Amino acid sequence: EPEVTQTPSHQVTQMGQEVILRCVPISNHLYFYWYRQILGQKVEFLVSFYNNEISEKSEIFDDQFSVERPDGSNFTLKIRSTKLEDSAMYFCASTTDRATYEQYFGPGTRLTVT
Amino acid sequence: QKEVEQDPGPLSVPEGAIVSLNCTYSNSAFQYFMWYRQYSRKGPELLMYTYSSGNKEDGRFTAQVDKSSKYISLFIRDSQPSDSATYLCAMRRNAGKSTFGDGTTLTVKP
Repeated sequence: EPEVTQTPSHQVTQMGQEVILRCVPISNHLYFYWYRQILGQKVEFLVSFYNNEISEKSEIFDDQFSVERPDGSNFTLKIRSTKLEDSAMYFCASTTDRATYEQYFGPGTRLTVT
Repeated sequence: QKEVEQDPGPLSVPEGAIVSLNCTYSNSAFQYFMWYRQYSRKGPELLMYTYSSGNKEDGRFTAQVDKSSKYISLFIRDSQPSDSATYLCAMRRNAGKSTFGDGTTLTVKP
């Protein structure tokens, strides 16, 4: 069964450093998303991406964040200058272009900022 | 008021019990309703998906949506210890973002 994959599974970085989280969505999907979940809290939407551009973003997704689909398979989230409060699980998700819009999540990248 | 409110739990039941998990919402534009299961430090796994009002059954799981009351439920019959996890309700208007509840942690005791 096709699935969303994410790398790395765990990333440790120092405050102020740049990180890039990588995702490979399901191959025939056209909508891509990033969510995050701070430990013990709810899953929060960051950004959605369709047709090579951001279609929606939350107030969390400020100028420190960017997304890119550099080729036909990868979808990346970059955090330019990490803060302690960026420590969280980051989930990539993807959805088909069908009417059902079933959304599938990857296993997540645990980002720890020290 | 939160857009999505989920019964907080935690919930602990004996094996074989029927489990009821519930969410209410305030945004009448939501049309797609999902239940995800999440194990500790793992990604949400899509369990059930419903469009608009009605019931949907898949094995031991039944999802109900009542749009007039803005209320959704997930029922688990014959619960098993392997069902122990956090259950997340989520909703969306279209292909855009999903809005999640806080999650209910379920423990099924053998």
